[in-house]
Amino acid sequence: GENVEQHPSTLSVQEGDSAVIKCTYSDSASNYFPWYKQELGKRPQLIIDIRSNVGEKKDQRIAVTLNKTAKHFSLHITETQPEDSAVYFCAASNVEYGNKLVFGAGTILRVKS
Amino acid sequence: NAGVTQTPKFQVLKTGQSMTLQCAQDMNHEYMSWYRQDPGMGLRLIHYSVGAGITDQGEVPNGYNVSRSTTEDFPLRLLSAAPSQTSVYFCASGRLYNEQFFGPGTRLTVL
Repeated sequence: GENVEQHPSTLSVQEGDSAVIKCTYSDSASNYFPWYKQELGKRPQLIIDIRSNVGEKKDQRIAVTLNKTAKHFSLHITETQPEDSAVYFCAASNVEYGNKLVFGAGTILRVKS
Repeated sequence: NAGVTQTPKFQVLKTGQSMTLQCAQDMNHEYMSWYRQDPGMGLRLIHYSVGAGITDQGEVPNGYNVSRSTTEDFPLRLLSAAPSQTSVYFCASGRLYNEQFFGPGTRLTVL
């Protein structure tokens, strides 16, 4: 089955700097890669997703890149703000077999002001 | 729309007790699923359903049962609670092949 590894487990950046979180997946058939943000005590919420027919996607300060050959995808947050502090999860699935998501273990992002 | 709702928010059980965690959605989503979240382990899929009358197992199904008699509801039953089932449980729903929306979670403690 699919296995998703996520690095780093914790990341501290200064306000205004960029943050990068990386994930690798094992199943070459996976074709949908969402990123979720979870604030303390809250539910995970989708912040951006990418499908395997696209190499990069941007939404304001957030971008995701996908390298299918290396089975690797990354989340990039620019101009970080204190409200970006949260736990971020990557996930992978093969949408042809439904919405079964396999999650990475998560990255705790701390933005210091 | 209320989105995805879960009850209860908190629950304490004794070992061996059974209970049902409720999940409902009002978005007419085909897909519903249950995850458990443990520190340092992300979210792990317990069971999922692609439509009424259809359920299947995820990564960690042992000790849990589900049913999907309607599109809206997807209850999770703990048959005989064990301390290892202490966790935060999230229900999620979505249209097939698209984004999943999570409920607010149920924090379960088994003593």
